[in-house]
Amino acid sequence: EDQVTQSPEALRLQEGESSSLNCSYTVSGLRGLFWYRQDPGKGPEFLFTLYSAGEEKEKERLKATLTKKESFLHITAPKPEDSATYLCAVQAGGYSNYKLTFGKGTLLTVNP
Amino acid sequence: AAGVIQSPRHLIKEKRETATLKCYPIPRHDTVYWYQQGPGQDPQFLISFYEKMQSDKGSIPDRFSAQQFSDYHSELNMSSLELGDSALYFCASSLQADGYTFGSGTRLTVV
Repeated sequence: EDQVTQSPEALRLQEGESSSLNCSYTVSGLRGLFWYRQDPGKGPEFLFTLYSAGEEKEKERLKATLTKKESFLHITAPKPEDSATYLCAVQAGGYSNYKLTFGKGTLLTVNP
Repeated sequence: AAGVIQSPRHLIKEKRETATLKCYPIPRHDTVYWYQQGPGQDPQFLISFYEKMQSDKGSIPDRFSAQQFSDYHSELNMSSLELGDSALYFCASSLQADGYTFGSGTRLTVV
């Protein structure tokens, strides 16, 4: 069974204070690892998909990296508008079986 | 760019009633997924359709059913509603496994 564990559950940062969120996973044949941002009461907003160990992707203040066992979402000099829940999800390989298995998320709060 | 459209945004039903949620995927996306997210929980996969055929099934109660129509829109039908069915219901669509995009969700409240 695919499993995703995110840590920490909650993280409080001061504006400009860089940090990292962790996502460790076990999956039978990883097809892709996804990062989403979710604001309260809204749908998950796509950030990145990583496909192979060693891959890195960046978007503004966010950078996602992937190893064979975990992924990190690095947040550089965060701003209050980066406050949200960050969800990690894995997609296992397999024909026409593209469901995502999510972790419980990290609630990030950035104080001005 | 077109997004995944869900309706209604909010729905209030009484116990034992029936609810129907609708989802319009991104044009040319061939796969539709339904997820349930309880308060403070992560999204849980319910069911998916690939080219209008059910492709995978998760933890979906027998009281729920879903289908995808010829125009690719999908409906989630929920009967004999229980208080525990109160949640956010998300639809997502993708082209094969790519471009996985979620809608804004339907908030179902069962009273």
